[in-house]
Amino acid sequence: SAVISQKPSRDICQRGTSLTIQCQVDSQVTMMFWYRQQPGQSLTLIATANQGSEATYESGFVIDKFPISRPNLTFSTLTVSNMSPEDSSIYLCSASDRGGIYEQYFGPGTRLTVT
Amino acid sequence: KQEVTQIPAALSVPEGENLVLNCSFTDSAIYNLQWFRQDPGKGLTSLLLIQSSQREQTSGRLNASLDKSSGRSTLYIAASQPGDSATYLCAVYQTGANNLFFGTGTRLTVIP
Repeated sequence: SAVISQKPSRDICQRGTSLTIQCQVDSQVTMMFWYRQQPGQSLTLIATANQGSEATYESGFVIDKFPISRPNLTFSTLTVSNMSPEDSSIYLCSASDRGGIYEQYFGPGTRLTVT
Repeated sequence: KQEVTQIPAALSVPEGENLVLNCSFTDSAIYNLQWFRQDPGKGLTSLLLIQSSQREQTSGRLNASLDKSSGRSTLYIAASQPGDSATYLCAVYQTGANNLFFGTGTRLTVIP
């Protein structure tokens, strides 16, 4: 199984600022994803991070608000831009690569609070 | 669009009881189904993965079954312990969609 780490684990940010979350996988993986979990809710996919090309965003999420980078097969970043209190959530990175089995592994998450 | 539902939303049981968590999904064109555990404020831990061609998977005190044609899965936890207290999420990997669709979760409390 892949081991995924995220930094920071939590942060408190002011409205209007931006935060970049890092995700590191201990092995090369084909697919990496970013999810958001709002308080009391289940997970919602933000985007698929594609290595060497632009991320694929789900409906309701845009690149200007959530720019994503994936420079190689083990690392990705998600930036939450121009934050508002509604962005307060847990942000989770996940990875998948098992020769077609597609089991997904998740990082510990980043708890973001916007004041 | 795939919809995943989990019943019950919350469950409280005394220690030692066996219990069943339910998951249903609307579109049976899935590649696999995963059960996860999430502790408060934490990330997800993968418990079991069932491929679409499989009927069940077991790991220790956990047993997950899959009936793809009826759109249902169950997670059976034997001899529950207080350490099992967490939220349990099921998710299906939709064929052609390239991502997981998550259920709403069941919050389990095991009372010592």
